[in-house]
Amino acid sequence: AAGVIQSPRHLIKEKRETATLKCYPIPRHDTVYWYQQGPGQDPQFLISFYEKMQSDKGSIPDRFSAQQFSDYHSELNMSSLELGDSALYFCASSSRTLRADTQYFGPGTRLTVL
Amino acid sequence: DAKTTQPNSMESNEEEPVHLPCNHSTISGTDYIHWYRQLPSQGPEYVIHGLTSNVNNRMASLAIAEDRKSSTLILHRATLRDAAVYYCILRVPATGNQFYFGTGTSLTVIP
Repeated sequence: AAGVIQSPRHLIKEKRETATLKCYPIPRHDTVYWYQQGPGQDPQFLISFYEKMQSDKGSIPDRFSAQQFSDYHSELNMSSLELGDSALYFCASSSRTLRADTQYFGPGTRLTVL
Repeated sequence: DAKTTQPNSMESNEEEPVHLPCNHSTISGTDYIHWYRQLPSQGPEYVIHGLTSNVNNRMASLAIAEDRKSSTLILHRATLRDAAVYYCILRVPATGNQFYFGTGTSLTVIP
């Protein structure tokens, strides 16, 4: 079965640079969630989208923005990167009509800021 | 404040049952209890979820206290592949089905 795809899997950036993370949800899933997991920490919710509209917002810094496109893929844009942004970034998807109660996570993008 | 609390780590012998506890004393009536597990450098994987009644699936069982302030994930026979961090999560429909992760329990399975 198709799973959530995230790209790139690994990304290395310098401080103050920008980064774009991409997420391709499971086909027919209409909701995308972004999470940040720092070293040794639990995942923290950043933001979610339902049918291309922002659904909910968590602890996402103002330097970050995200959107969901017409094909339901989502991108997380991160600007003015800081050392503390180094983390695993997970995308998850779900469907409000199929199994709204279960989020399926991608493999994550490991971002390293030097 | 964390919505769920879990022990940091637990050990189990292979082929033995494992009971992973979770406290969620501030749970509201519409919040769901989810369990996911995560292997190193991988995304969390769905295990089981429930609202009020106990639940069983091919992976595990979920026992929910009558007052819903705690729950227990039960792995009936631990295998080496079950070694992972297990997260007890509240899904809150009131906030767009947002997941609130606990700190997770790192399960070690001893051969």
